[in-house]
Amino acid sequence: GAGVSQSPSNKVTEKGKDVELRCDPISGHTALYWYRQSLGQGLEFLIYFQGNSAPDKSGLPSDRFSAERTGGSVSTLTIQRTQQEDSAVYLCASSLYQGPYTFGSGTRLTVV
Amino acid sequence: QQQVKQSPQSLIVQKGGISIINCAYENTAFDYFPWYQQFPGKGPALLIAIRPDVSEKKEGRFTISFNKSAKQFSLHIMDSQPGDSATYFCAASSSISSGSARQLTFGSGTQLTVLP
Repeated sequence: GAGVSQSPSNKVTEKGKDVELRCDPISGHTALYWYRQSLGQGLEFLIYFQGNSAPDKSGLPSDRFSAERTGGSVSTLTIQRTQQEDSAVYLCASSLYQGPYTFGSGTRLTVV
Repeated sequence: QQQVKQSPQSLIVQKGGISIINCAYENTAFDYFPWYQQFPGKGPALLIAIRPDVSEKKEGRFTISFNKSAKQFSLHIMDSQPGDSATYFCAASSSISSGSARQLTFGSGTQLTVLP
C-alpha cells in the first residue's frame, strides 16, 4: 500500500479483556517496528521484525504482550488481560532494511 | 546508555523567529540521528536526518547541527511558521548487528507552538 495502515484507529476495552492491534506495512518493506506512546511521552520501543522473525523482544513490557508477523507483511500486537496502564497510542512503522521509518497513524487504546 | 535526552519539553516562538531544540546522547555507537515531526492524531514523520560524518545538514528552513565530541545535536527551524506547530522528536540509532533493521531510540519530544 501507499502507507502504513493500522487498525483499529481507536479501541476502548474493559480491563482484563484481550485486544489485537493490526499493522499493514508498506509493501516490500523488510522491517517492521512497534512503539508505544503514552500521553505526553516519547516513543517506547516494543519489538521489531526482520521478515517474520523478531530478534529482539526485550522491549515488550510484560508477558501479556506478544506480537507476530506473517508472510513478511501484516503484523499483530496482542495484549492479554489488559490493564489501565496499557492505555496508550500504539504506533507501527516499517522500513526497507535500514532505511527511514514510515509510521502509521497509530491505534489509540483506552482500557476502562 | 540507550537514552536520548531532549529539551525543552515545550517551546513557544513568535512567527518568523528561530526555534531550537536540543538533544544529547551517551551511546557512541549511534550512527544515525533523525528528527521526526508529529501532528495531533498522526504518526511521526521523518523531517531531516544526519550522520556523524558531517557537522551540519540543511533542508529548507530546517537545519541539524551535530557536535560529535559533545554527543549533542540540535534542530533549528528558521523563520518559524504557525504551520510548524507540532511535536518534534529527536532519535538516534546504531546498525543492529544482524544488519537488516535499525532500531531507533527516541527523545521525549518537544511541543512547539508558533504564535501568529
